[in-house]
Amino acid sequence: AQSVSQHNHHVILSEAASLELGCNYSYGGTVNLFWYVQYPGQHLQLLLKYFSGDPLVKGIKGFEAEFIKSKFSFNLRKPSVQWSDTAEYFCAVNEGSSGQNFVFGPGTRLSVLP
Amino acid sequence: SAVISQKPSRDICQRGTSLTIQCQVDSQVTMMFWYRQQPGQSLTLIATANQGSEATYESGFVIDKFPISRPNLTFSTLTVSNMSPEDSSIYLCSAQGTYNEQFFGPGTRLTVL
Repeated sequence: AQSVSQHNHHVILSEAASLELGCNYSYGGTVNLFWYVQYPGQHLQLLLKYFSGDPLVKGIKGFEAEFIKSKFSFNLRKPSVQWSDTAEYFCAVNEGSSGQNFVFGPGTRLSVLP
Repeated sequence: SAVISQKPSRDICQRGTSLTIQCQVDSQVTMMFWYRQQPGQSLTLIATANQGSEATYESGFVIDKFPISRPNLTFSTLTVSNMSPEDSSIYLCSAQGTYNEQFFGPGTRLTVL
């Protein structure tokens, strides 16, 4: 069975600091990878996704993620965070061809101090 | 991307009763999903709802407790039956997009007294 781990439970940064949230998955086959964000009181939104091709994926709001197949990782990055980035971030993976077995990581709470 | 709405947005229910949550998608989708999210925690998949077939339940979830309907390609319902306080949670539906991503509804916050 697939599983997803996220390195940090809670990350606290000051505005303008750089962000990197770790995500690792366990699955031997082809995968699709996702990052979702959940702002306080709002529903889950898709930040970015990887299916194939360039392992560096750019998403909305200045976020990007890099798929490193050899490390089974899909870390999320942003060069300069803003207070409005305060949210819960979830990494997710599903099987590449079928799209089945969509599994979420435990989430990382990001707090950005003004 | 698909836009998903859910009703009700929240409810407070008595122990032993049942609640049906509705999920509407603004476009036709093959696969819809139901999740549960405890406060401050990640999402747990309850079941996959495909139109024209029985829902597929994940380990720990059964049809008698969480019956699901999928009458067409834009609509699904989840019923939480014979509720207990342990069922208090946020229930989310999602729809699978063209590239196997999922789009989520706003959720239904359920409190069982």
